[in-house]
Amino acid sequence: GIQVEQSPPDLILQEGANSTLRCNFSDSVNNLQWFHQNPWGQLINLFYIPSGTKQNGRLSATTVATERYSLLYISSSQTTDSGVYFCAGGAGGSYIPTFGRGTSLIVHP
Amino acid sequence: DAGVIQSPRHEVTEMGQEVTLRCKPISGHDYLFWYRQTMMRGLELLIYFNNNVPIDDSGMPEDRFSAKMPNASFSTLKIQPSEPRDSAVYFCASSFGQGGEKLFFGSGTQLSVL
Repeated sequence: GIQVEQSPPDLILQEGANSTLRCNFSDSVNNLQWFHQNPWGQLINLFYIPSGTKQNGRLSATTVATERYSLLYISSSQTTDSGVYFCAGGAGGSYIPTFGRGTSLIVHP
Repeated sequence: DAGVIQSPRHEVTEMGQEVTLRCKPISGHDYLFWYRQTMMRGLELLIYFNNNVPIDDSGMPEDRFSAKMPNASFSTLKIQPSEPRDSAVYFCASSFGQGGEKLFFGSGTQLSVL
């Protein structure tokens, strides 16, 4: 199956800083999605972004499916952005999401 | 819609006991997924259903695990007998259509097998 690599594995920021999280896939990906797992364990879908760029407030995401990567941008980070960010996608004939190991983000006040 | 609803939120049981986890997907969603999250293995897909029919259960770790979806609004994941290594957070998720819609997760069930 598809392999999903996320980087960096850990990130510590000061409130107000910007960051970029990366997701690499072993194959051309479809159905790519980004999730945020908050400190209470809840998984929230941030973006469904099989290709192109989307923005939602301080967050934006870009996927270049043919080059097998996606980026999540967080601008002006806040303490509530802390948690783990996962990307997931399917490849080939499968749209069933396979998850990366996540990027753990801590934003200090 | 109330979102994907899972119960119980927490389950503590002793080794050898039967455990049943429950899930109600978002109304109208035709795909239902069961994932397990551990520190060692991350989020791994156990099984998924399409229109109540199990499509791929290759992620189910062993015969002690079984899942059913008797109707469009209810699914169960059963572990019998449970073992300490089954301790994990079990998530249910649903989506509409296979290729074009977001995946929505329930709040998960934290399972501890003593």
